[in-house]
Amino acid sequence: AQTVTQSQPEMSVQEAETVTLSCTYDTSENNYYLFWYKQPPSRQMILVIRQEAYKQQNATENRFSVNFQKAAKSFSLKISDSQLGDTAMYFCAFMPLNFGNEKLTFGTGTRLTIIP
Amino acid sequence: SAVISQKPSRDICQRGTSLTIQCQVDSQVTMMFWYRQQPGQSLTLIATANQGSEATYESGFVIDKFPISRPNLTFSTLTVSNMSPEDSSIYLCSVATQGTYEQYFGPGTRLTVT
Repeated sequence: AQTVTQSQPEMSVQEAETVTLSCTYDTSENNYYLFWYKQPPSRQMILVIRQEAYKQQNATENRFSVNFQKAAKSFSLKISDSQLGDTAMYFCAFMPLNFGNEKLTFGTGTRLTIIP
Repeated sequence: SAVISQKPSRDICQRGTSLTIQCQVDSQVTMMFWYRQQPGQSLTLIATANQGSEATYESGFVIDKFPISRPNLTFSTLTVSNMSPEDSSIYLCSVATQGTYEQYFGPGTRLTVT
């Protein structure tokens, strides 16, 4: 079974600054995907970024980037030039690439507040 | 990504009653899932809704309590049966197309049981 750990329950940062959210995971799988989801107060879960474990290059989506360290089983999210709309719960998630078992396991989340 | 709607968006129900939540997608998808998010908690997978066959439930969730239907590739329902206050949660459906490995979520249904 997989576990996903987010050790920062809450974080806050000034608008326009950079913030990094931590995530570690434990698995015996070799092929998997990792995701970051954002859940603003509206409760809609929004996919922010994904990383394929077989890719060494870190994924980037505009102001969002990840630092994927496969050996250390670490998957952090960096938000650059943070904006007020980035205020949300952020969940790290793991998915094994086993046919018929493509299920997401979520971490406990980090509540991020962007301060004006 | 698919556009996903859920009905109702919220409801307040009495103990012992049942509520059926609907999930509708604007395109055919291979996989549909139901999650529960208890207050202030993360998401827990309830079951995978299989088209034309019985749902696959995760440990701790049973069909008698959470019956699921999926009559076609764009629609699914989750029923929360014989509700108790402990069932107060947000219930979310998600969809994925096999091979893409990205799940997209509906807006959720906030259920309060009194």
